Amino acid sequence: EIVLTQSPGTLSLSPGERATLSCRASQRVSSSYLAWYQRKPGQAPRLLIYGASSRATGVPDRFSGSGSGTDFTLTISSLEPEDVAMYYCQQFDTSPQTFGQGTKVEIK
Amino acid sequence: QVQLVGSGGGLVKPGGSLRLSCAASGFTFSDYYMSWIRQAPGKGLEWVSHISSSGSTIYYADSVKGRFTISRDNAKNSLYLQMNSLRAEDTAVYYCASRNRTGTPYNYWGQGTLVTVSS
Repeated sequence: EIVLTQSPGTLSLSPGERATLSCRASQRVSSSYLAWYQRKPGQAPRLLIYGASSRATGVPDRFSGSGSGTDFTLTISSLEPEDVAMYYCQQFDTSPQTFGQGTKVEIK
Repeated sequence: QVQLVGSGGGLVKPGGSLRLSCAASGFTFSDYYMSWIRQAPGKGLEWVSHISSSGSTIYYADSVKGRFTISRDNAKNSLYLQMNSLRAEDTAVYYCASRNRTGTPYNYWGQGTLVTVSS
């Protein structure tokens, strides 16, 4: 199965700073089948990015996704306090679908 | 407003059984593929099982094959997971999630229900 490794494990930044989250796959993943999710404390996960770079409905444009092959990135251009959450990448290119371990984003 | 509300979690002894439910509202449940996804303490998300919109196609992770059974009742807008022969390693928060079809991301998730397997 494809292993997704997310880094860093925890990201602690000040409001307004840029957050860069990495997702590295153990094998090539088609960009069409790479997604990012956000899970805020006490809430259900929410789809943020699909197709590696397309924002889901209602997602603020400070969130962007990029990458291809084995390296993918989620960027929050200017961190807001409400962005405190866990972020997970997912591949559903190769069965079984797999998720990364997650990156925790904190406000410094 | 789309809602997926999970229920049925709790404390169960090793070897025991539990049935999880997920009640859907706010969308046409019968049009969507559904999955169960879990997260064990300190671990990442793990896909558990998938069922197609009609219920005709079902898949399981190797870790639960032969022990868990997924099903759905489109008339009741509900998804189920029957979990038998539970093990300590099945301890996790279980999420139900919907997707348009295979090969698409999960557009909606439930809030999760906690299953604890312990003696």
